[in-house]
Amino acid sequence: RKEVEQDPGPFNVPEGATVAFNCTYSNSASQSFFWYRQDCRKEPKLLMSVYSSGNEDGRFTAQLNRASQYISLLIRDSKLSDSATYLCVVSNTGGFKTIFGAGTRLFVKA
Amino acid sequence: SQTIHQWPATLVQPVGSPLSLECTVEGTSNPNLYWYRQAAGRGLQLLFYSVGIGQISSEVPQNLSASRPQDRQFILSSKKLLLSDSGFYLCAWSVLGNAEAFFGQGTRLTVV
Repeated sequence: RKEVEQDPGPFNVPEGATVAFNCTYSNSASQSFFWYRQDCRKEPKLLMSVYSSGNEDGRFTAQLNRASQYISLLIRDSKLSDSATYLCVVSNTGGFKTIFGAGTRLFVKA
Repeated sequence: SQTIHQWPATLVQPVGSPLSLECTVEGTSNPNLYWYRQAAGRGLQLLFYSVGIGQISSEVPQNLSASRPQDRQFILSSKKLLLSDSGFYLCAWSVLGNAEAFFGQGTRLTVV
């Protein structure tokens, strides 16, 4: 079983749609969780951290379920510029071992 | 502010040739440093990480090695490249106690 698993997609959605991505992780001792965004042929960049209480940043909402060991990302009112690959990231204490999921590709169409 | 430099941006090397990719970080001290590889259409695979000068942890057995000769310098090397070494190599840094990683712009390596 992979340490971090994501649905690779692609997700093809129209502008304005709401889309949700899920990610599962295998190490119950994982401490830190993130969503990164990666544009084509570019380096990944942090989108948002994921906290146990859930957190929101504009149109983006991230949630963590430790009991079930999954993380989610919800994007509301999708924009064309949201088209990218979204990477789920799990890390142990101190960030010594940070594991990236393979990513979920999103295409937002006009 | 902190910055990370990685070069070259692209590289085409013949099978059997050596490799040296360099990464340097500015604006921070004693960072954790990482080398990742991303094969075409795949996720990032952690290759090496380092928590200090001369301290290297290898995540997967492979044809590559890493060194950290200075606090903010991380080098990825190979004595003889294989076709399977082709990919997008990313250097990253983080601060102890904070798992957020910041990436360099990557090196796209093609072994021919």
